[in-house]
Amino acid sequence: QAQLVQSGAEVKKPGASVRLSCKASGYVFTNYFISWVRQAPGQGLEWLGIIKPASGTTSYPQKFRGRVTITSDTSTSSVHMELSSLKSEDTAVYFCARRGTVADYSHYAMDVWGQGTMVTVSS
Amino acid sequence: EIVLTQSPGTLSLSPGERATLSCRASQSVTSSYLAWYQQKPGQAPRLLIYAASTRATGVPDRFSGSGSGPDFTLTVSRLEPEDFAVYYCQYYGASPMWTFGQGTKVSIK
Repeated sequence: QAQLVQSGAEVKKPGASVRLSCKASGYVFTNYFISWVRQAPGQGLEWLGIIKPASGTTSYPQKFRGRVTITSDTSTSSVHMELSSLKSEDTAVYFCARRGTVADYSHYAMDVWGQGTMVTVSS
Repeated sequence: EIVLTQSPGTLSLSPGERATLSCRASQSVTSSYLAWYQQKPGQAPRLLIYAASTRATGVPDRFSGSGSGPDFTLTVSRLEPEDFAVYYCQYYGASPMWTFGQGTKVSIK
């Protein structure tokens, strides 16, 4: 079955960058987009951006443009997300999530999620 | 940018009761782009409903979605112990852009 496995927890200082990984298995990697979503402690979900692994094409919301970079590596079926200029407000759990198939309306939702990676930003 | 407002913030119910959760968009939206997720503590969200009313694979039929822009509803017909969780609605907008509601917590009364 489709699965996304994420890298381990990170602790970073303010101003630093963090790079997270998400490895896909159980499906054709290049057939599905991957998004990143984060959740601050006790808070809701926030979308950070998306990549089409087949082409490397990305899209980011205005809030994160210039600070978030998402890349893909088809040789390892992995997606990476780098967040720069870290602030304490970036402390959150970061999820990667697969966009649903283009064959139906699940294409506008996220049908498979990674387990999450905790990122703590503290001096 | 579309804003999704969920109500109530918390719903306190007993197992076996019916849960009705609301999601209102800040403008008229396309129902095909509206989804619902369930999240339990320490876990990733799980897709329940997409296109406002289509259950995702493996989702029990006690979960149902309805509505049309701007008002949508998630109903759990008879709450099971494993259904006590936080529920989020989500909308896919132009650019592209994914937006989530702030969540409704269904807690045990």
